[in-house]
Amino acid sequence: DQQVKQNSPSLSVQEGRISILNCDYTNSMFDYFLWYKKYPAEGPTFLISISSIKDKNEDGRFTVFLNKSAKHLSLHIVPSQPGDSAVYFCAASAWEDNNDMRFGAGTRLTVKP
Amino acid sequence: DAGVTQSPTHLIKTRGQHVTLRCSPISGHKSVSWYQQVLGQGPQFIFQYYEKEERGRGNFPDRFSARQFPNYSSELNVNALLLGDSALYLCASSHNAWGTEAFFGQGTRLTVV
Repeated sequence: DQQVKQNSPSLSVQEGRISILNCDYTNSMFDYFLWYKKYPAEGPTFLISISSIKDKNEDGRFTVFLNKSAKHLSLHIVPSQPGDSAVYFCAASAWEDNNDMRFGAGTRLTVKP
Repeated sequence: DAGVTQSPTHLIKTRGQHVTLRCSPISGHKSVSWYQQVLGQGPQFIFQYYEKEERGRGNFPDRFSARQFPNYSSELNVNALLLGDSALYLCASSHNAWGTEAFFGQGTRLTVV
């Protein structure tokens, strides 16, 4: 039962443009959401998080938006840089069980120079 | 500062054998989590330990066990290996008690033949 879904396996954008990565979840108990970035031959790296009491969290070029009613979150990268090319995983956890992070399958972002 | 280190990086075992995977967290991190990642999917939560106590367990059979040592390093043990246990095993360390906002190691690629 995949509770966190990333329906786009890949995304290609031009350098300088906006990258939008999407994530949907089904479990209404999820209240903490994270994005991880993974380069080849490396483990995932924590990027940014958001709790359900917010609908937006910003960190430099990275902004995560949360739409609780739609059970949808997105990661915006502006402006995109070639070094952002990686696989991005969305993850979610529930307060009562928040050591059990559920991950999506990932979206491979390619930023073209 | 060293990141999360895992050993070995690659391992080949035959069905029915036992395997031990090792993880050293980032210095100062007291939480260690283990994840299994199969090709094309996101990481799946196996265990989380904090201060040497098990804080969470995912939906894995009892053949999987783990422990955390006084120096916060951790071992994941898998008994009676099955072909389906072939995967990348990721260890993640975190400063918080819930294992979120974690830093991942490069993983151990286990192949069961």
